[in-house]
This record gives sequence, structure tokens and C-alpha cells, in this order.
Amino acid sequence: GESVGLHLPTLSVQEGDNSIINCAYSNSASDYFIWYKQESGKGPQFIIDIRSNMDKRQGQRVTVLLNKTVKHLSLQIAATQPGDSAVYFCAETLGGNTGKLIFGQGTTLQVKP
Amino acid sequence: DAGVTQSPTHLIKTRGQQVTLRCSPISGHKSVSWYQQVLGQGPQFIFQYYEKEERGRGNFPDRFSARQFPNYSSELNVNALLLGDSALYLCASREGYNSPLHFGNGTRLTVT
Repeated sequence: GESVGLHLPTLSVQEGDNSIINCAYSNSASDYFIWYKQESGKGPQFIIDIRSNMDKRQGQRVTVLLNKTVKHLSLQIAATQPGDSAVYFCAETLGGNTGKLIFGQGTTLQVKP
Repeated sequence: DAGVTQSPTHLIKTRGQQVTLRCSPISGHKSVSWYQQVLGQGPQFIFQYYEKEERGRGNFPDRFSARQFPNYSSELNVNALLLGDSALYLCASREGYNSPLHFGNGTRLTVT
């Protein structure tokens, strides 16, 4: 079945640098995408979402880019902080049903002081 | 406001036993979803409920069942536990059809 994949299992960055976490999705029919942050011992925390009719969406220190041509999603974190260290998941859904998400494997972000 | 709350936080069961996990959604959220997260992997969809009716089911055996109550809280039941059922079970709720899903901190189930 379809799955959302992430390119790198671990990303290590220096505090203050910008981070870019990538995600490839396989189903061109997916129309809604979400990024989650999961810290150890906690559930996934909503970061930002984007719909397929958009290419870019910005939040506080985060930007999500969607390239439908190559089915690629990225999460950019500006001025990465130690508190950003976590596992990041992208998720997709079909038909706008946000209750049923397909998650990727996750990328671990390590922030070095 | 309180987020999604789940109980218990940790549980240890023996193979063959049955377990019930509980979830209270965010106030005002009528839709609840359940996910299983095995260590090192992303969450996998199990069930979705809206207004007490099942609205979706993932690729899980019939040993897994759930229900939603009039107050929109939910329970996930797993019968005849297997070692492979050991995982973090996540409950999530959302405000509406196109709204983002918000997760609780999960119940860590260990089957020995």
C-alpha cells in the first residue's frame, strides 16, 4: 500500500543553523499533509499542515514546502534550538479525511550546542 | 484547555489476556482516531470514530475493537494479546473533517 517515506533517518545540525527535513510521498491523490514532532515519551505534536492547492505555508520559525510535481514535502526550521531535538514525521491523507493519516518512518533531528 | 488524555499511561499484560485502553478527546472534538506505534516506526491507523459510529478501520485483525461513547470518549479493546501487540497506542481527536489531528501521549502496552 501507499506509504510516506522520509529521506534521512537522522539529521544533525548546529544550534542556530537552519534545518531542512525532507519527505517523499507516493500517492499523487493525497491532498493534505501534516508535519508532527514527537519527543521521547510523548505523542506526536502538530507543527504545521498544508493542502495540495498550496506550495508553501509558514508558521512560527517553520515553513513547509510542497512540490506536487515530484511528490516531495519539506519542513524548514529556522534558527534551530536544542528544544527542536525530536523525531519528525510527515503524514498524508486521502480525500481530506484527516482522521486517517499515513505516516512515514520519521527523521531524528539532533541539535548540537 | 486539556489536550487528549489517555489512560493508563503504562500497562503490562500476559499473552492471551485482554486489554482496554481509554481516551478522552479535546473538549468539543467529536472525532476520535486510534493509532499503533511500534518502536522506531511511524504511527499506524487502527480506527476512526465520529458521532459514535465507526468511520474507518485500518489493517488490523478482529482482535482489535473500539467504541465511542455519547460524551465522545473512546475505548480500544484488544483480545487474545500477542507479543507483537506491544506498542504505544495513541488516541487523537479533531474538530472537524479537514482539521488537523491532535494526539495524546499514548498508552505504552507491553505484552510478556
